[in-house]
Amino acid sequence: DTEVTQTPKHLVMGMTNKKSLKCEQHMGHRAMYWYKQKAKKPPELMFVYSYEKLSINESVPSRFSPECPNSSLLNLHLHALQPEDSALYLCASSPFGGAFNEQFFGPGTRLTVL
Amino acid sequence: EDKVVQSPLSLVVHEGDTVTLNCSYEVTNFRSLLWYKQEKKAPTFLFMLTSSGIEKKSGRLSSILDKKELFSILNITATQTGDSAIYLCAVEDYNQGGKLIFGQGTELSVKP
Repeated sequence: DTEVTQTPKHLVMGMTNKKSLKCEQHMGHRAMYWYKQKAKKPPELMFVYSYEKLSINESVPSRFSPECPNSSLLNLHLHALQPEDSALYLCASSPFGGAFNEQFFGPGTRLTVL
Repeated sequence: EDKVVQSPLSLVVHEGDTVTLNCSYEVTNFRSLLWYKQEKKAPTFLFMLTSSGIEKKSGRLSSILDKKELFSILNITATQTGDSAIYLCAVEDYNQGGKLIFGQGTELSVKP
């Protein structure tokens, strides 16, 4: 299995809802990432987990809460989002945390907040 | 502040043309430079460059890094409509645990 999978593909939620995004990889990668991408913009890093520990949090608002239950899974819990949070949320993984290793991206979850 | 700048921002060519995409960077703790192709959804990895002057090649695509002048180019020869995509350049900062600093991307459109 050489891919990163993400579910759901699309999500529409209201500002009072609680939902979760899921990311999975079975390549034995030890670093996993969440990015947010707005239209016509590059991906913006949100969180990095390295060896199941949160190693980078790019000052993301607390309405986004990451979780790494094990080395293959990464979740992003969403609560009380704003319409401006609508974006493509990309998950990526790489063999190791740190340098010299390319990140492999999942297909993304297209999130719309009403 | 670290930054990665790509040019041009958009480009329209015809099938068969050769294109050169540029990426310049100012990143204090440079470790590597990566190129990605993004079509509808996820970026797909193309190349990782760490050493100056060594060309990486994959089919009609090639890329090279100049660490003295702080830039990289991505060449695509004999372009096809399937090359239409956004090409992203990203630089890895070794002091930031795997963080990629992305450029704005170059939107390439190849017309038949």
